[in-house]
Formats: sequence, C-alpha cells, structure tokens
Amino acid sequence: SQKIEQNSEALNIQEGKTATLTCNYTNYSPAYLQWYRQDPGRGPVFLLLIRENEKEKRKERLKVTFDTTLKQSLFHITASQPADSATYLCALDLGGKSTFGDGTTLTVKP
Amino acid sequence: SAVISQKPSRDICQRGTSLTIQCQVDSQVTMMFWYRQQPGQSLTLIATANQGSEATYESGFVIDKFPISRPNLTFSTLTVSNMSPEDSSIYLCSCRVNTGELFFGEGSRLTVL
Repeated sequence: SQKIEQNSEALNIQEGKTATLTCNYTNYSPAYLQWYRQDPGRGPVFLLLIRENEKEKRKERLKVTFDTTLKQSLFHITASQPADSATYLCALDLGGKSTFGDGTTLTVKP
Repeated sequence: SAVISQKPSRDICQRGTSLTIQCQVDSQVTMMFWYRQQPGQSLTLIATANQGSEATYESGFVIDKFPISRPNLTFSTLTVSNMSPEDSSIYLCSCRVNTGELFFGEGSRLTVL
C-alpha cells in the first residue's frame, strides 16, 4: 500500500540549532514533492517544491533534499527561531493531486 | 501566487442539515481542490473541482454527500449534506498554480451538534 511518513509527531529544538524533518514514502513515484507550514487554525502555506530530477533546493534559511532512490526528503531549517514553531507537512504530487503526510510539529525553544 | 477567500470561516450546525462553503480565488486557476482536515490529523483530499463538469471524488467521498460546483475558473462551492457529528472537521479549499504549488484558504471549521 502507499504510505507517507514524517519522522515524528513532535520535534523540540533549541533556538539557533538546525531542525531536520524527514518525509519517507513507499510505493509512490512522485513527479515532485512539496513542503508546507501550517499554524494552528490556519490553512497550510507553501514553502518549497523540489522535482524528481533535483537533489536540493534552498530558500533563505530553508533547504530541502529529495532522494528518489531512498524515497526520502529532508527539510532543514537553519538558525531556527521560536517563530519557526509550527506543523510542517510534506506532500507528494501524484497525477496532478497532492497527498499529504501527517506532519511534524516543531517547537523551537528560546 | 493566489489568494483564496473561503467562507464561512466557522459554523455550528444541527444534525441533518446541510452547509455550503464558498471559495473564491483572486485569479483564474485550472485546478481547484477540496480537502478535509480532522482534528489533529493531516489533510485528506475530498475531490477535484472541475470547471464545467462534475467533480472527481476520491475514494470514500461521494457526490450525494459532498456536492461540488465549479461554475468558472475562480469560484467553487462544497456542500456538506445531511450532516452528522462525524462531519465535524475543517474543510479547506485550495488551488494549484502553474508552477505546481498549492495555495489554501484559511479553512471552514464546521461543528455538527
């Protein structure tokens, strides 16, 4: 069966450290993978998209990698800040539709 | 990018009634979707709203329960019909832009008593 797993439900780190979130999938061959941020009571907000032929993408303090052999994406937030605290969702594009993982809730402590 | 306005933002409804959620995009988009997000869970795709034709529903969702309209490239509605407490959830409208990413509305939080 098809499955998307994000590493843990919750991740707590200290301000200034790098947060690394994992998205693993099985039995999919996505054309691209996306990461979203969701704050409580709000809709998800798009962060980064990486295509199957790309290894890495960066945007300011954010970096995403995509390994289609391992079927894994890593999402990094460097120099983390308390304002980065949120739930982060990965999503796989399959035939024009996006399927979401369960999310990882990140808490950055000052 | 795209900005999505969704209403109502929240509502409390009685069992057996129906509620229609409206979704307005600030630009013309080809792909619009409706998702459901139950408390503490991730997003589940309900259907793809097709302009000028019937929506395409995902497994577990049917037109009689979740009728969808898409009269043009900027607007869609989702109706939750004959509601039960199990329908209490957040319903999210989204659209896909040409570069592939999704934009979401703020969601409609529905509570069924």
